Amino acid sequence: SQQGEEDPQALSIQEGENATMNCSYKTSINNLQWYRQNSGRGLVHLILIRSNEREKHSGRLRVTLDTSKKSSSLLITASRAADTASYFCATPYGGATNKLIFGTGTLLAVQP
Amino acid sequence: NAGVTQTPKFQVLKTGQSMTLQCAQDMNHNSMYWYRQDPGMGLRLIYYSASEGTTDKGEVPNGYNVSRLNKREFSLRLESAAPSQTSVYFCASSTQGTRNNEQFFGPGTRLTVL
Repeated sequence: SQQGEEDPQALSIQEGENATMNCSYKTSINNLQWYRQNSGRGLVHLILIRSNEREKHSGRLRVTLDTSKKSSSLLITASRAADTASYFCATPYGGATNKLIFGTGTLLAVQP
Repeated sequence: NAGVTQTPKFQVLKTGQSMTLQCAQDMNHNSMYWYRQDPGMGLRLIYYSASEGTTDKGEVPNGYNVSRLNKREFSLRLESAAPSQTSVYFCASSTQGTRNNEQFFGPGTRLTVL
């Protein structure tokens, strides 16, 4: 399958520090998405980066995409306790059907 | 707008029982999806519906059936529940097309099969 793999599986940092998580995928894509899941809740879309983009910013989020290495990274700057959540990358497959395949996620804990 | 809603929030079944998980969206999206989430496994697609009147299998369809009742509603049915179907089930929806296929998720249904 084309499942993305996140690294690390778990990350614990102090408030104010930056958090970086990585995603690798297996086949060619036209975009890659990052989602956040707070404990016990549904996933929330954070950011989408297209295959012709190398970097994208949204508030305190910075996403990079390296299609030659089939990898992406999500950087959260100046983290807050409220950023504590699981983060998933997702890549489309199946042509125009909008299907996504999700990685196994990184569990981020931000200590106050 | 409520977004994507799911009922019930929690359910406990005995092996062999049947039930239907309900999902509705009010965003006029064409595409809808059912996922299951198990610890350490991420989300796996069970079934999806690209548009009203169509459904197709995802990665893990065995033991499930779906109905796209209309554009708003997409239900997931377990005909004979098994303990292996204990999981958290998420419904999602999105607009059609490959340029902006952000998916919107419901809050989930926590299902335990004894």
